[in-house]
Amino acid sequence: NAGVTQTPKFQVLKTGQSMTLQCAQDMNHNSMYWYRQDPGMGLRLIYYSASEGTTDKGEVPNGYNVSRLNKREFSLRLESAAPSQTSVYFCASSEKESRETQYFGPGTRLLVL
Amino acid sequence: AQKITQTQPGMFVQEKEAVTLDCTYDTSDPSYGLFWYKQPSSGEMIFLIYQGSYDQQNATEGRYSLNFQKARKSANLVISASQLGDSAMYFCAMREEGTGGFKTIFGAGTRLFVKA
Repeated sequence: NAGVTQTPKFQVLKTGQSMTLQCAQDMNHNSMYWYRQDPGMGLRLIYYSASEGTTDKGEVPNGYNVSRLNKREFSLRLESAAPSQTSVYFCASSEKESRETQYFGPGTRLLVL
Repeated sequence: AQKITQTQPGMFVQEKEAVTLDCTYDTSDPSYGLFWYKQPSSGEMIFLIYQGSYDQQNATEGRYSLNFQKARKSANLVISASQLGDSAMYFCAMREEGTGGFKTIFGAGTRLFVKA
């Protein structure tokens, strides 16, 4: 099992460009999440999907859109990138059980110039 | 309002000694879960330990234990016999129910330095 995979690993964008971050999990988890981590800070939840077909906003959703394409895949889209979106983006998934321990992907480092 | 508070931006500990990383939380939900994750310099997030709000005993996982004081709303991580490889960022997190299902909120983290 690969666990949670993310593509790309690194990306440089110019202000105003758009891009989609891809995330896939092979653990048959129901829930998937997108976080951003800024230097010296914890993770902040952007969007999450409790189950296939549902998505909901987290703490910092502005400037982002998401798509839960199927049970495996959860993508994050930046329609018009801004320098404030320079960050490391983590995707995570969890099973709907009492613990709901999250398993994280390796992260995508995004730089917006 | 801050839901997870980690008041120690950085901590130093001597190798082989024990260290406690503090975490306080805020929730009105009677059912919640508390987690600790480790993030080494390589960047990945590693799950360490979990405590459910209804668990009677403090959680333990090897050298990690969680000192859960429900009335004080604290969930401190204790690492016994520190090793050089324990140097990393440590995040406390809380699972709570959102409008669309469960979501997890993270604290700002504590950077632990283990000295030889």
